[in-house]
Amino acid sequence: EVQLLESGGGLVQPGGSLRLSCVASGFTFSSYAMTWVRQAPGKGLEWVSAISGSDGSTYYADSVKGRFTISRDNSKNTLYLQMNSLRAEDTAVYYCAKSGSSFHPDSWGQGTLVTVAS
Amino acid sequence: SYELTQPPSVSVSPGQTARITCSGDALPKKYAYWYQQKSGQAPVLVIYEDSKRPSGIPERFSGSSSGTMVTLTISGAQGEDEADYYCYSTDSSGPYWVFGGGTKLTVL
Repeated sequence: EVQLLESGGGLVQPGGSLRLSCVASGFTFSSYAMTWVRQAPGKGLEWVSAISGSDGSTYYADSVKGRFTISRDNSKNTLYLQMNSLRAEDTAVYYCAKSGSSFHPDSWGQGTLVTVAS
Repeated sequence: SYELTQPPSVSVSPGQTARITCSGDALPKKYAYWYQQKSGQAPVLVIYEDSKRPSGIPERFSGSSSGTMVTLTISGAQGEDEADYYCYSTDSSGPYWVFGGGTKLTVL
């Protein structure tokens, strides 16, 4: 059974930084692309970033490009999202997801809440 | 930037067929995926590659594609199907992915 456990969320001031982690189990982590998706309170889903399983290629939404960095440690079965220069509009639940060959999420974690406020 | 357009809401009575549409210019060339999100829960994949159903998803869920529009059909909708539904796809110029704005399905 695929399990994804996010952590690292919390309250941070505007301009601050936070690193999210997602520990994966139940599948061969290194073989799969992984994706971060966020959902602001009361709003819809927003694709944030993805990383391939094969060569570690990374992709970002325009709204986070240059501020967020996705990475993975295949030896630890862990996905990361380093978030810098945080803004109020980054406030959301952040989900990590195992992704298929077309980078579509096919299994999701339960999410971690990030709140950017002073 | 690329957009996928969904109706904000759809309402049906129990046992009726619910159809949720999603339109986007790249959909003739790119697969669409559908996610169900119930209140307070993480999303669940219900349709992939336009019309394929993952294991464990009831047969009443189906997907189809025609031109720049894809459709999620729930045949004989039940109260447990009340949820927000999102389509997902990629722009032909890539590489980035987008979700539609979501459709709230009410079964009453």
